[in-house]
Amino acid sequence: AQKVTQAQTEISVVEKEDVTLDCVYETRDTTYYLFWYKQPPSGELVFLIRRNSFDEQNEISGRYSWNFQKSTSSFNFTITASQVVDSAVYFCALSGRLTGGGNKLTFGTGTQLKVEL
Amino acid sequence: KAGVTQTPRYLIKTRGQQVTLSCSPISGHRSVSWYQQTPGQGLQFLFEYFSETQRNKGNFPGRFSGRQFSNSRSEMNVSTLELGDSALYLCASSLEEGSGYTFGSGTRLTVV
Repeated sequence: AQKVTQAQTEISVVEKEDVTLDCVYETRDTTYYLFWYKQPPSGELVFLIRRNSFDEQNEISGRYSWNFQKSTSSFNFTITASQVVDSAVYFCALSGRLTGGGNKLTFGTGTQLKVEL
Repeated sequence: KAGVTQTPRYLIKTRGQQVTLSCSPISGHRSVSWYQQTPGQGLQFLFEYFSETQRNKGNFPGRFSGRQFSNSRSEMNVSTLELGDSALYLCASSLEEGSGYTFGSGTRLTVV
C-alpha cells in the first residue's frame, strides 16, 4: 500500500520568511512519481511539480525549490521569501501503478500555509 | 489550450436523489480520474477511465459510478445520495501514465 504523510497541519509565517513543507512517503514500487499541488480557496488543485523516482536532483523554480531524498523517502518543498499569495493548502502526492494498469494519486492530508503581513 | 472543465460548479441535492457530474478533459488527454475531497477523509481516489473503459476503482460503494465517452468526456453518477456524500468532487485528466495530472475546479456537492 502507498502512503503519504504531511505531518504539518498548519504553518503560519510572516511575509518574506522562508518556509519548508515536509512530505514523507511509503511505496513498494521501484518506479513512481511524486507531486506537489497547491489548493487555493477556490478549490482547484494547481500543479506545482512532478518528480520521478529515478531523478533525485533538487529543483528550483523561482521562489520554489524541492528536495527529493530517496534514502529518507522525503520530498520537501521550500518557499523562499514567502508572500501573502502563497497562502493555500499544499498537497504532496504519490503516483503508483495499479494492477489494472494506469495510475492513481495518493495524497497526503495537506498543509495549510498562512502568510501574514 | 483549454483546461479541465467541470460542471456544474455547485450543486445542492436532497438525500435519496441521484446526481450526475460532468468533466471535459484537456484535448488529447484520454485518461480521466475522479477524486472526492472531504474534511474528514481528505482526497480519495474514486475511479479512472481510459479510452472509455474503467481501468481502476477506489474503495467506494456501488452507488458511485461513472463512464467515459468517445470524446474522452466523463461523467460520474451518485445514486441514493447520503449526507456523507457532501464533498468537493475533482476531476483530473492525464496524457499518459506518470505524465502529470491537471485538475478541474471541481463540483461542490451539498446533500441536505
